[in-house]
Amino acid sequence: KAGVTQTPRYLIKTRGQQVTLSCSPISGHRSVSWYQQTPGQGLQFLFEYFSETQRNKGNFPGRFSGRQFSNSRSEMNVSTLELGDSALYLCASSGGSGEKLFFGSGTQLSVL
Amino acid sequence: GQNIDQPTEMTATEGAIVQINCTYQTSGFNGLFWYQQHAGEAPTFLSYNVLDGLEEKGRFSSFLSRSKGYSYLLLKELQMKDSASYLCAVREAGAGSYQLTFGKGTKLSVIP
Repeated sequence: KAGVTQTPRYLIKTRGQQVTLSCSPISGHRSVSWYQQTPGQGLQFLFEYFSETQRNKGNFPGRFSGRQFSNSRSEMNVSTLELGDSALYLCASSGGSGEKLFFGSGTQLSVL
Repeated sequence: GQNIDQPTEMTATEGAIVQINCTYQTSGFNGLFWYQQHAGEAPTFLSYNVLDGLEEKGRFSSFLSRSKGYSYLLLKELQMKDSASYLCAVREAGAGSYQLTFGKGTKLSVIP
């Protein structure tokens, strides 16, 4: 069974640009969560989608948005990039009655 | 809201035992997770505790005391490959939520 797949693996953008990150969950998993990981703050919850609906949202500005498609694949978008958005963005999927999250390898975003 | 504390770094010797502590404060508790993350890789699930007591899984054990807001991860017979960051995470009470609040992680270095 394939794991959680995130693309691209690395991204370099400049301030003011926007970026879209993609996540394909494990087959059969309907919940997809997004986290931001930085050395100073650790992993911080961005949002969670289940069956194309956002169920929870963390304390991030509206520049951070996401969506989920009918096949459970998810995208997150960050508009008007700031230097502080440089981070590893991790996607995690979960499904069935399991409680644990399965993480992808992440997208390393660098904002110059 | 939730606050999770764990030591920033620890060093232990190959073959020894190490205990990584985690304390948390939360308004609603619905489970505690431990994840392992090697540098540049995705976090991987180690253990889940929702009731008080010890959960053992091979060389890894995790303990929870809900009344004390305290957990620890015990690693036995340390191997060099155990050098990684160990993340403590708490799930808030709430139906259908896969939102986790993570501590900043404990970087464990195993030395010969």
